[in-house]
Order: sequence, then structure tokens, then C-alpha cells
Amino acid sequence: QQQVKQSPQSLIVQKGGISIINCAYENTAFDYFPWYQQFPGKGPALLIAIRPDVSEKKEGRFTISFNKSAKQFSLHIMDSQPGDSATYFCAASPTNTGNQFYFGTGTSLTVIP
Amino acid sequence: NAGVMQNPRHLVRRRGQEARLRCSPMKGHSHVYWYRQLPEEGLKFMVYLQKENIIDESGMPKERFSAEFPKEGPSILRIQQVVRGDSAAYFCASSPDQGLEQYFGPGTRLTVT
Repeated sequence: QQQVKQSPQSLIVQKGGISIINCAYENTAFDYFPWYQQFPGKGPALLIAIRPDVSEKKEGRFTISFNKSAKQFSLHIMDSQPGDSATYFCAASPTNTGNQFYFGTGTSLTVIP
Repeated sequence: NAGVMQNPRHLVRRRGQEARLRCSPMKGHSHVYWYRQLPEEGLKFMVYLQKENIIDESGMPKERFSAEFPKEGPSILRIQQVVRGDSAAYFCASSPDQGLEQYFGPGTRLTVT
């Protein structure tokens, strides 16, 4: 059973555009939500993370929006660049009952020059 | 500060052989997690260890798989009598005592022939 559902599976965006990736979860015990970026042949790299006590967190061109009541969160990449082309994974963790991450199935982002 | 190190990066084993994957966490990190990634899929949690202790092995297959994190040396994920279905990328992550972030290594790509 997939605990974190991620969409879309793939995304093509023009350079300078906004990339939006969405995730949804059911388990209300989840209280830590990181996003990872993975290039082919590499390990996932932490991009940005949020706790449910805030609705938005921004770091540079990357923003997480969090909707606790809907149990949804999303990653926005502003001014997308070809170098952003990678696979993006959302994850969720119930930090009070364990530290394991439950990952979404990933979104392959291609930014066209 | 070196990142999480994993070796070997690529491992080829014949069916029935044993595979040993090693992970050295970041300096100062005492928590280690192992994840498996199948092609075109997200990462699946396998096991969470602290020095000399297995904290959560709920994601580990019941047979053939084992993990350890000794007082000295790297964490080791051992797969006995490998089968073709074990072919995957295995990632190790580490986190500090007071942090939620998990930092991933470059992974070991296991191919079972």
C-alpha cells in the first residue's frame, strides 16, 4: 500500500516556468515532510522540508506548500532551469513513532531550454 | 565533512551467492537507514539502526536479509542466497542525534545474474 501518493509521474516545463509536484497522504501520524532531488546514478539529495505547523516554506526557488486539513503538500520550483531536470521524491515520516521515511513514487521533471 | 559513503558502488552476484553492502555514515551521525529502490519506483524503507542496535526492521524481508551497525566500522546490509528479484539500488542514509534530516549516500547497484 502506497502511503504517500505523488503526481504527476512526469512533467515537462519550459525554462523560466513554474514546476509543481503534488503529494497526498492519509496517515495523520506523519509530521515531517521532506523533498528530495535525484539525478541518474546518484543518491537522493535533500532539497527542502516542512513540519505541519506552517503552511509554506521557501528556500530560494523552491517552495513547499502544506495543507494539513487536506493532507496534501506540494513542491513549487520557480523560474525552472534545465539544471533542475531530475527526479523529485516527496516523503513523509512519523517522527514520534519512528524515523523511517515513506517515499512517493517520484516525478521525472524535464525543463526544456 | 565527507558525506555518506557506500561501497561497492556496483556489485554483480550470481544467484545463490551472498551480497555485502557497506555504509559509512557522515561524521557525527549515529543513525543509519537502509532503503531499496527498484527501477522506476520510489525508495522503500528496510531497516533503521543505531550503533550496535536494530531499532526498526519492519521493512526487511524475513529471510535472507540482515543488517548490522557495529560499534566500530561501517553498517553492513547482507543478502544471502541472492535471487534475481534482489536486483535493485540500495541506499543508505544517516542522520544526527537531534536532527530529522536524512542524508543519502550514492547507493550500491546490485545486479543478480
